Amino acid sequence: QSALTQPASVSGSPGQSITISCTGTSSDVGGYNYVSWYQQHPGKAPKLMIYEVSNRPSGVSNRFSGSKSGNTASLTISGLQAEDEADYYCSSYTSSSTNVVFGGGTKLTVL
Amino acid sequence: EVQLVESGGGLVQPGGSLRLSCAASGFTFSSYWMSWVRQAPGKGLEWVANIKQDGSEKYYVDSVKGRFTISRDNAKNSLYLQMNSLRAEDTAVYYCARLVAVAGTLSYWGQGTLVTVSS
Repeated sequence: QSALTQPASVSGSPGQSITISCTGTSSDVGGYNYVSWYQQHPGKAPKLMIYEVSNRPSGVSNRFSGSKSGNTASLTISGLQAEDEADYYCSSYTSSSTNVVFGGGTKLTVL
Repeated sequence: EVQLVESGGGLVQPGGSLRLSCAASGFTFSSYWMSWVRQAPGKGLEWVANIKQDGSEKYYVDSVKGRFTISRDNAKNSLYLQMNSLRAEDTAVYYCARLVAVAGTLSYWGQGTLVTVSS
């Protein structure tokens, strides 16, 4: 099963905004409004940050937002803070029996 | 508070077997699909398997089909992954996660358990 495509790394300075893209196909990202984003700090478990393209779970900062256009979803983090430095993974529902497909992950560095 | 606690990882030789467990609490376990997801050292996340609420449907990534079996015991609020014929490439941290199946959303994750396949 093919992974979704994410940039390997992005960086930004405190206070700035960054956007991470996640490109799939019409069988996953483009076909459903079921894209999720996960944050993972080193040595820790992933944490759900965005679900169903643009919804935030309770307790997640409103600095995190999600969107989608065609086969590409995006995660935007505004007002970057040092604690945002982490790996970010997108995932999507897929019509195949795998049900869940992940992106390769993006390392966010806060300069 | 939702809690998922994995156990059972360790060092195993190639061709060996291991059974992972995941103890769930803080929610009605029998009402949710559950998943196993793994992460090889320094690599990204890889979905491994899903199981329906009553265990009647199970799905696996191609690389583990015929070797791994996902199961659950709703009376014990527990999820399992039986891993047979283990290979070096199965070395990873294995996470259990609660799945919103209709959306493919993994809403809660355990802390993970490390499986190392090496001679």
